[in-house]
Amino acid sequence: AQKITQTQPGMFVQEKEAVTLDCTYDTSDQSYGLFWYKQPSSGEMIFLIYQGSYDEQNATEGRYSLNFQKARKSANLVISASQLGDSAMYFCAMREAISNFGNEKLTFGTGTRLTIIP
Amino acid sequence: DGGITQSPKYLFRKEGQNVTLSCEQNLNHDAMYWYRQDPGQGLRLIYYSQIVNDFQKGDIAEGYSVSREKKESFPLTVTSAQKNPTAFYLCASSIRDGLETQYFGPGTRLLVL
Repeated sequence: AQKITQTQPGMFVQEKEAVTLDCTYDTSDQSYGLFWYKQPSSGEMIFLIYQGSYDEQNATEGRYSLNFQKARKSANLVISASQLGDSAMYFCAMREAISNFGNEKLTFGTGTRLTIIP
Repeated sequence: DGGITQSPKYLFRKEGQNVTLSCEQNLNHDAMYWYRQDPGQGLRLIYYSQIVNDFQKGDIAEGYSVSREKKESFPLTVTSAQKNPTAFYLCASSIRDGLETQYFGPGTRLLVL
């Protein structure tokens, strides 16, 4: 079963508008972490924002905010005042335990390609 | 500047050949990871290492091998047993701080001739 679901393969947004990228996740763990990464055409994965499962406040980092709805198991990324440089692939990922010895891994969604239109 | 470096940027492999991808970090991170990315897909975990001289298989370890002799280095060998090696390979590292945020290198694109 897919653990991270990103239902928007591609989005087109006008420059300066806000955009919401959807992410839903599936886990039975009580403690987990949710991440968003940006992958420009160069290929490098750039960390954007993190939300812990016990964090009561939604995470924010500059123009990025994470709309965390725990009961719905959703962790949508909101980008305010979009810029041309925001055009990239965006991946949602969840940290989950691999073993009982503290080993953890990230499970990634299939990504959303965001294109900002001038 | 601290960061993760991967080399080469592009790598070509002939049939039956083993090739090694380099990953070095100077962030003093304990954990290191190797991921594979295929077109239109997310990342899949190949191998990971939490400490020096120890590593574990990820979800798609068959046809790959790794070593972790130094904290800074985590090379990945793509062996001839990997029948479909063409992909983009990303190395990452993280520190045990509760968040375990993984930071990625620039990647190596492997192509089969």
